[in-house]
Amino acid sequence: DIVMTQSPESLAVSLGERATINCKSSQSVLYGSNNKNYLAWYQQKPGQPPKLLIYWASARESGVPDRFSGSGSGTDFTLTISSLQAEDVAVYYCQQYYSTPITFGQGTRLEIK
Amino acid sequence: QLQVQESGPGLLKPSETLSLTCTVSGGSISSSDYYWGWFRQPPGKGLEWIGNIYKSGTTYYNSSLKSRLTMSVDTSKNQLSLKLTSVTATDTAIYYCAKHRIGGTFYSPLDYWGQGALVTVSS
Repeated sequence: DIVMTQSPESLAVSLGERATINCKSSQSVLYGSNNKNYLAWYQQKPGQPPKLLIYWASARESGVPDRFSGSGSGTDFTLTISSLQAEDVAVYYCQQYYSTPITFGQGTRLEIK
Repeated sequence: QLQVQESGPGLLKPSETLSLTCTVSGGSISSSDYYWGWFRQPPGKGLEWIGNIYKSGTTYYNSSLKSRLTMSVDTSKNQLSLKLTSVTATDTAIYYCAKHRIGGTFYSPLDYWGQGALVTVSS
C-alpha cells in the first residue's frame, strides 16, 4: 500500500497570507507512460464531504479559486493557498489514485491565526 | 447537476449487517462510463477507501474488508449498494459514495460526493 504523509498536521495562517501544505508518498505516483502524477487534493469543511480541488497534482478543478495551486512530482507534493480567506478554514487531504488501495493522507487542519 | 445521496440505518448492534444505498440523480449510471467508489470516515478521523464498482457490476474491494463486503449496482433504480457483515464498533463511521472523474477507470480522482451517512455500531 502507498502511505501518504502530510505535514504539518495543523497550520494557523493570517488572513491574506500564504498557506502551504505538504504531502509525501511512500512510493512514486508518477506514471511513466503519460507523465502524470496520480495525486489529488481535497478540502473538507465540518459536516461536509470532501471537495476536489486539484488533480494530476497541479490541475485545478472547475470552479476552484485560482488562489489554490498544486505542485510537485514523484513522491513530494505541495498545496498552496496564495492568500488565505476566511472560507478556506477546513481540513485538507492529499490522495493517491496511482494504485489500489486508494489512500489518503491523515489530513492537515488549516485555521486562521 | 449530478447529485449523490447515501441512505441507511443510523444505528446497528455488533454482529449485524450494515446495508447502505447510494441514489444517483441528474445522471444515469448505465449510460455513463464512470466507476463509483465507497469510502468511510470514522468521526474526527481520516478517509478510508472501501471499494469501487462499475455499471457492469465489476467490483474492486479493499483487502482489509473483502471478507465481509459486498457491493452491487441496480441500474434500473440508478442506485448502488453496500453490505458489510459482522460489524463491530470499529465500523462506526460516515460512509460516502462518490463518482470517479474520468470515464472508464477508477485511477482517477473523485469529483461528486454524497453528503454521507453516519453509521454507529453500539450495543
